[in-house]
Amino acid sequence: DIQMTQSPSSLSASVGDRVTITCRASQSISSYLNWYQQKPGKAPKGLIYAASSLQSGVPSRFSGSGSGTDFTLTINSLQPEDFATYYCQQSYSTPWTFGQGTKVEIK
Amino acid sequence: QVQLQESGPGLVKPSQTLSLTCTVSGGSISSGSYYWTWIRQPAGKGLEWIGRIYTSGSSNYNPSLKSRVTISVDTSKNQFSLTLTSVTAADTAVYYCARVVPGLLDYWGQGTLVTVSS
Repeated sequence: DIQMTQSPSSLSASVGDRVTITCRASQSISSYLNWYQQKPGKAPKGLIYAASSLQSGVPSRFSGSGSGTDFTLTINSLQPEDFATYYCQQSYSTPWTFGQGTKVEIK
Repeated sequence: QVQLQESGPGLVKPSQTLSLTCTVSGGSISSGSYYWTWIRQPAGKGLEWIGRIYTSGSSNYNPSLKSRVTISVDTSKNQFSLTLTSVTAADTAVYYCARVVPGLLDYWGQGTLVTVSS
């Protein structure tokens, strides 16, 4: 199985901050990397697919980059509704695997 | 707008079989090149991929569950289903169904909590 490791596990930030979350794969996954946002008690929501493509309806302050083993999710100008847990997921090979999550909290 | 809704028992006894159904509305389950998938999440923990099925019926499962899991599709009812046998307390989780296009899970059900307890 491909292991996905996110860092940090949690972070505190203020509204308006720029936030960066990293995700590392245990082997190359090309650009088969997706990002999700999950709020408490809700299903995850797809944000980014194929490492850097923005899912329809997702605000442009979200962006993704990377390829191979190292990936980044960036949130520019953090908004109150962005406080949530973020997960990366590889779709390069089955079993699809997720990172352990990064919780973005209010400072 | 595609919508997915999980249904099934919220309580299952240890060693018994967990059965859930996902009903798709707002579009035909057999139109387009989509996989349909099940994900689970124990309370306070991360996401685990269970398996996926294509509308042709071909499926793939997580090896950690492979011997116990079956995913099937009923195109006439616009549904796909999950069966997990010989459950234990470790299978207690919120179970989500979702559509996959092609690697991104773009539409999700709201999730259903399944508790394994006697």
